[in-house]
Amino acid sequence: DIQMTQSPSSLSASVGDRVTITCRASQSIRTYLNWYQQKPGKAPKLLIYAASSLQSGVPSRFSGSGSGTDFTLTISSLQPEDFATYYCQQSYSTPPTFGGGATVGIK
Amino acid sequence: EVQLLESGGGSVQPGGSLRLSCTTSGFTFNIYAMSWVRQAPGRGLEWVSGISAIDGRTYYTDSVKGRFIVSRDNSRNTLFLQMNTLRAEDRAIYYCAKMKWAQWLADFDYWGQGTLVTVSS
Repeated sequence: DIQMTQSPSSLSASVGDRVTITCRASQSIRTYLNWYQQKPGKAPKLLIYAASSLQSGVPSRFSGSGSGTDFTLTISSLQPEDFATYYCQQSYSTPPTFGGGATVGIK
Repeated sequence: EVQLLESGGGSVQPGGSLRLSCTTSGFTFNIYAMSWVRQAPGRGLEWVSGISAIDGRTYYTDSVKGRFIVSRDNSRNTLFLQMNTLRAEDRAIYYCAKMKWAQWLADFDYWGQGTLVTVSS
């Protein structure tokens, strides 16, 4: 199975900050990398697919980059509704696997 | 509007069975792969099982192979997960998730609200 490792596991930030979360795969997954946002008590929501494609309806302050084993999710200017947990997930091989999550909290 | 609604969760004793259903609307169900993803309380996301729309081939994480069965009824736009020989470690919220393509494998572009499964004596 491909292991997905996210860092940091948690961070504190202020509204307006630029936030970056990284995700590393245990082997190359080309660009088969997706990002999700989950708020407490809610289902996950797809933000980015294929490493850098913005899902329909997702604000443009979210962006993704990377290929191979190293990937990044960036929030260009953090908004109050962005405080949540973010997961990466590889769709390169079965089983699809998720990172452990990165929680963005209020500073 | 895409909607997925899970049902069938509940409390069961170890060794028991449950059948989860995911009723869908707002998209052409029979042309998309579907999956079940679970989340234990306070933990991360874990993919459990999936089914292709092209050939009906099924996929499972190792810990549920031989115990869980995924199926779909395209005439009813519904996904199922038959869970047998349940263990304490199967306790989780189970989400139904639509996948972006017909073939296996892809990202999960829409999710249901989840149904809670509790396994306890």
